Amino acid sequence: QKEVEQDPGPLSVPEGAIVSLNCTYSNSAFQYFMWYRQYSRKGPELLMYTYSSGNKEDGRFTAQVDKSSKYISLFIRDSQPSDSATYLCAMIYSGNTPLVFGKGTRLSVIA
Amino acid sequence: DAMVIQNPRYQVTQFGKPVTLSCSQTLNHNVMYWYQQKSSQAPKLLFHYYDKDFNNEADTPDNFQSRRPNTSFCFLDIRSPGLGDAAMYLCATSREVHQPQHFGDGTRLSIL
Repeated sequence: QKEVEQDPGPLSVPEGAIVSLNCTYSNSAFQYFMWYRQYSRKGPELLMYTYSSGNKEDGRFTAQVDKSSKYISLFIRDSQPSDSATYLCAMIYSGNTPLVFGKGTRLSVIA
Repeated sequence: DAMVIQNPRYQVTQFGKPVTLSCSQTLNHNVMYWYQQKSSQAPKLLFHYYDKDFNNEADTPDNFQSRRPNTSFCFLDIRSPGLGDAAMYLCATSREVHQPQHFGDGTRLSIL
């Protein structure tokens, strides 16, 4: 079992839809959770960062962490064609350990 | 106001010919990372520096080396590139290891 599981998609939705992206993880030692967005031929861009269970909202984006279920989600409201990208979840143990990425989910928002 | 800058954006080299990729940062972050990313895959960490302390991932080939002459700059040296080393190479920085990483736009390396 991989440490971080993420459905690679592709996921295709109509403009205006609510998008739900998810990752599961196996190690309860993960404490910090991130979502990155990566456009084609660009580096990953940090969208959300959280270190506790619960919800964190930023504009149209909401990150949700459920540590008891080892499950994190990113919700995108009122999705736009400009949201079309690959979304990578990532997480860190505490201490001096690097990021562990999910494989990424490719999202297409169709106008 | 790019904060993590990678040069060049595209690099073509010949099989076996050494190549150096560069990264600079304006964030004054302690940690700098190099990742390799192949098509439709997640970035794979090669190594990172915490200040001057070098940390190599166990499965990073010996063909890959890195230098960090100062806080702002970090270099990735590929001594003898093979066809399998064609990829996007991403540089990232973070203030501390457990904090979010900020990525550059990468250098796409092609091997002839």
